[in-house]
Amino acid sequence: EAGVVQSPRYKIIEKKQPVAFWCNPISGHNTLYWYRQNLGQGPELLIRYENEEAVDDSQLPKDRFSAERLKGVDSTLKIQPAELGDSAVYLCASSLPGTPEKTQYFGPGTRLLVL
Amino acid sequence: GNSVTQMEGPVTLSEEAFLTINCTYTATGYPSLFWYVQYPGEGLQLLLKATKADDKGSNKGFEATYRKETTSFHLEKGSVQVSDSAVYFCALSDHGAGSYQLTFGKGTKLSVIP
Repeated sequence: EAGVVQSPRYKIIEKKQPVAFWCNPISGHNTLYWYRQNLGQGPELLIRYENEEAVDDSQLPKDRFSAERLKGVDSTLKIQPAELGDSAVYLCASSLPGTPEKTQYFGPGTRLLVL
Repeated sequence: GNSVTQMEGPVTLSEEAFLTINCTYTATGYPSLFWYVQYPGEGLQLLLKATKADDKGSNKGFEATYRKETTSFHLEKGSVQVSDSAVYFCALSDHGAGSYQLTFGKGTKLSVIP
């Protein structure tokens, strides 16, 4: 079974430029998460989707970040414009519906460097 | 709010040594507890989990017991190998409080030397 797929794996951009990250979850996983992991820290949730609906986006900086999950499968996270402080690893995770413990499976992440 | 505190690293051990990585938590509901591992250049992988008090999660020689009385979920392994070198994250999800968000600790880097 294929795991969570993310692309690109690495991205280097200059500040004020836009950037987008793509995620394809594990087949059958209705729940999708985007996390940001700063250097030396644990991941922090940005947004959670149940199918195509964003059910928790309270920690998404909405002035510059946006996300979408059309058709409830793939998802895209966008930053526009990027700032120096956005340099981090952006992780996508997915989980099955209806399981109490909601084990999340993570992709390899996209490492973003903003210059 | 929810939080996870784990021992700071880095931790350096010789091969076959005993490993303990401490983890304590604060949660408002009924959390499930997890240990994730991140090998160099790779994403997070679930190592083990426990969903209720006194449950023991185990995998690949690692184990951790959900201790509600001490709000702890310490990770242990009896004999570490060089291949265990990685960053280990303790995490919780507090579905009892209606949230499936994973709250992570800061991670503990383990280096095992031959």
